[in-house]
Amino acid sequence: GAGVSQSPRYKVTKRGQDVALRCDPISGHVSLYWYRQALGQGPEFLTYFNYEAQQDKSGLPNDRFSAERPEGSISTLTIQRTEQRDSAMYRCASSADSNNEQFFGPGTRLTVL
Amino acid sequence: GQSLEQPSEVTAVEGAIVQINCTYQTSGFYGLSWYQQHDGGAPTFLSYNALDGLEETGRFSSFLSRSDSYGYLLLQELQMKDSASYFCAVRGGRGSYIPTFGRGTSLIVHP
Repeated sequence: GAGVSQSPRYKVTKRGQDVALRCDPISGHVSLYWYRQALGQGPEFLTYFNYEAQQDKSGLPNDRFSAERPEGSISTLTIQRTEQRDSAMYRCASSADSNNEQFFGPGTRLTVL
Repeated sequence: GQSLEQPSEVTAVEGAIVQINCTYQTSGFYGLSWYQQHDGGAPTFLSYNALDGLEETGRFSSFLSRSDSYGYLLLQELQMKDSASYFCAVRGGRGSYIPTFGRGTSLIVHP
């Protein structure tokens, strides 16, 4: 596709369940970023990759959060043992390289009951 | 760490000019970007300044002063469709291109 896609667009889960959020970046983009965005706030950095290598994961809130990009394209953000405080919009972005503009996907709205 | 300050809200009338300021603190600096986000939508890139000075793209311009850790976004000939949130974002950090976004400025354009 022409842009960044994310799936699912909406995810409702029960507390304690694991969820996997998928990001499909623009083809050929080197860098891929994960953010969390609360209503009325800016995107909050979680982690990013160049190709398949995770460059920085300092924004991940705790060890229940992990991300991978095994073939340098599609990425998955996994949240284990979800908690209500994990409810948020999770956004993915990609860029041609680390210094270029980021293209954001539509986001996944996660609701933990 | 990194932090950015920008006004929470700005209002203006159609056809006017508005300036949204952004000050930042970061260890290491690799550039200041601006993004626009309409309600319910994804952030979209507007501009990027790595060096001091003014960058112009149509009705939008962005300015950077690295010595003052300050930048602004200038929107001219405002249109109703410009009503949105505007985020400044800085790349910085030791040995990493960690992007940090400000809390956003809500621009309300009145007829």
